[in-house]
Amino acid sequence: AQTVTQSQPEMSVQEAETVTLSCTYDTSESNYYLFWYKQPPSRQMILVIRQEAYKQQNATENRFSVNFQKAAKSFSLKISDSQLGDTAMYFCAFIPNAGKSTFGDGTTLTVKP
Amino acid sequence: DTGVSQDPRHKITKRGQNVTFRCDPISEHNRLYWYRQTLGQGPEFLTYFQNEAQLEKSRLLSDRFSAERPKGSFSTLEIQRTEQGDSAMYLCASSLLSGGSGETQYFGPGTRLLVL
Repeated sequence: AQTVTQSQPEMSVQEAETVTLSCTYDTSESNYYLFWYKQPPSRQMILVIRQEAYKQQNATENRFSVNFQKAAKSFSLKISDSQLGDTAMYFCAFIPNAGKSTFGDGTTLTVKP
Repeated sequence: DTGVSQDPRHKITKRGQNVTFRCDPISEHNRLYWYRQTLGQGPEFLTYFQNEAQLEKSRLLSDRFSAERPKGSFSTLEIQRTEQGDSAMYLCASSLLSGGSGETQYFGPGTRLLVL
């Protein structure tokens, strides 16, 4: 069974600064995908970024990038130039090719003006 | 392209009643997932379908829970004899699995259930 651990329940960052959210996972599978999702207060879960495990290159999406360390089973999210709209709960997710998806318990990020 | 929709958005029921939720995935998405999310926690996997076949069920899905996707399009999740512990947000997500490529799950807005 897979496990996903987000060790930072809450974090805060000043607007325009950079913040990194951590995620570690455990699995015996070799083919899988990792995702970061964002859930603003009382709003829908939104995809932030995804990483295929077979790709060594770290994914980037505008201000969002990941540091994927497959051997260490680590998948952190870096948010650059933080904006007030980035305030949300962020979930790390492990999704295999088939079968059960596993989400972490989330990190609540607050961007301060 | 419309997103994933769920109905109803909110449901209040009394303990012991049955409730049914509906999820309409993004058209042509062949995979559909159900999750349960309690306050301050991440989504917990309940079950998923590929087309009309239910491929996996979590142990969390007790005998009181059943899900269907009869024609491989929309899905329903039924909870029988609801208990107060069933109060949660029920999320649906869909994805397109094609050619062995990875899938991205797109989530609906959820159905918030309160059992009194």
